[in-house]
Amino acid sequence: GAVVSQHPSRVICKSGTSVKIECRSLDFQATTMFWYRQFPKQSLMLMATSNEGSKATYEQGVEKDKFLINHASLTLSTLTVTSAHPEDSSFYICSARDGRSSGNTIYFGEGSWLTVV
Amino acid sequence: AQSVTQLGSHVSVSEGALVLLRCNYSSSVPPYLFWYVQYPNQGLQLLLKYTSAATLVKGINGFEAEFKKSETSFHLTKPSAHMSDAAEYFCAVSAAIYNQGGKLIFGQGTELSVKP
Repeated sequence: GAVVSQHPSRVICKSGTSVKIECRSLDFQATTMFWYRQFPKQSLMLMATSNEGSKATYEQGVEKDKFLINHASLTLSTLTVTSAHPEDSSFYICSARDGRSSGNTIYFGEGSWLTVV
Repeated sequence: AQSVTQLGSHVSVSEGALVLLRCNYSSSVPPYLFWYVQYPNQGLQLLLKYTSAATLVKGINGFEAEFKKSETSFHLTKPSAHMSDAAEYFCAVSAAIYNQGGKLIFGQGTELSVKP
């Protein structure tokens, strides 16, 4: 079946640095991917919709200059957390929509743990 | 606009007992509805989804859910709980618009505990 892969699964970075998380659709082309953030013991919050070849659409309250999203190919979207701070520490999950299906077939990545120290 | 409300942040059942996790949704367009399970420190696993076909949807691991438009509900059930069912469960809604959907709005989650 379709697989969405995220890398890295865990990353620790120093405060003030930037870190990139990749989301890949391994056996289908995903014109649209989504990025979510999940704090411990909380639900998933949609951050942005990533569209191949165009700018991402950010949800209200999400800083687009801090969370840079690039969807340069049909199988890869990246989320870059710029000038990371400890409060950015979270679980980041991506999903990709398989456009081959007639319905909304969504596949989630395994998630990436970010710890900012 | 769409939203999901999961009633009860924590549900505890005995092994072998009925599992009922409640989900109510709000949507201005026809919805697709999903239930996901998340084990500690892991990603999401799709249990089942409603995509405007049969209103009673059967999923993996013996779970099922029924879409009730009149009640705007999509409750998740399992006849007999197993210890391995202990996890966090999320209900989610998206717009049922071909080629435009996929943006999921999640409920707050319900933690299911199973007592021996």
